[in-house]
Amino acid sequence: AQSVTQPDIHITVSEGASLELRCNYSYGATPYLFWYVQSPGQGLQLLLKYFSGDTLVQGIKGFEAEFKRSQSSFNLRKPSVHWSDAAEYFCAVGHTGGGNKLTFGTGTQLKVEL
Amino acid sequence: DAGVTQSPTHLIKTRGQHVTLRCSPISGHKSVSWYQQVLGQGPQFIFQYYEKEERGRGNFPDRFSARQFPNYSSELNVNALLLGDSALYLCASSSGTGGYEQYFGPGTRLTVT
Repeated sequence: AQSVTQPDIHITVSEGASLELRCNYSYGATPYLFWYVQSPGQGLQLLLKYFSGDTLVQGIKGFEAEFKRSQSSFNLRKPSVHWSDAAEYFCAVGHTGGGNKLTFGTGTQLKVEL
Repeated sequence: DAGVTQSPTHLIKTRGQHVTLRCSPISGHKSVSWYQQVLGQGPQFIFQYYEKEERGRGNFPDRFSARQFPNYSSELNVNALLLGDSALYLCASSSGTGGYEQYFGPGTRLTVT
């Protein structure tokens, strides 16, 4: 069965420092991959997606992610974190069987120290 | 353009009661999916509807049901509420089915007492 693992439950970085959030997936075929961000009490905002092609994808708010098939990973990165990036980040895998079902990881809570 | 809207924002119900949650997708989007997010966890897929037909169902009991209307809005119904149904219920819309980007609404916070 498909699954997503986000190994880091909490991450704290200083403002201006670089960020990498880890995501590993288990899926039988080439997956659709997504990163979403959720602020407290809010819905999910799509940061970026990978469907096919270039394995380095750019998203909104200066985020990027790299798909590595050999490692079954889709890590999210940002070169310089801003205090407003503090939120919870979810990695998700979409199923290529024709529906829109997303399987989410358990999330990584990002804290930014000023 | 308006994003995905959900109503109500918050809801408090008693065990055994029934609840109906509503979702309006982004204009032009024909697919609506429902997710349940329990505190501290990632969202769990409940249903997907596309063109008023069910296209996917997650591992939820039959107490959960949904439908989609001709204007593509959707309702999620939960019968015989349990304490464990307390969660944030998220609706997501997309323009198609099969790997399309999904855009989420702000959610309905359901508390069952």
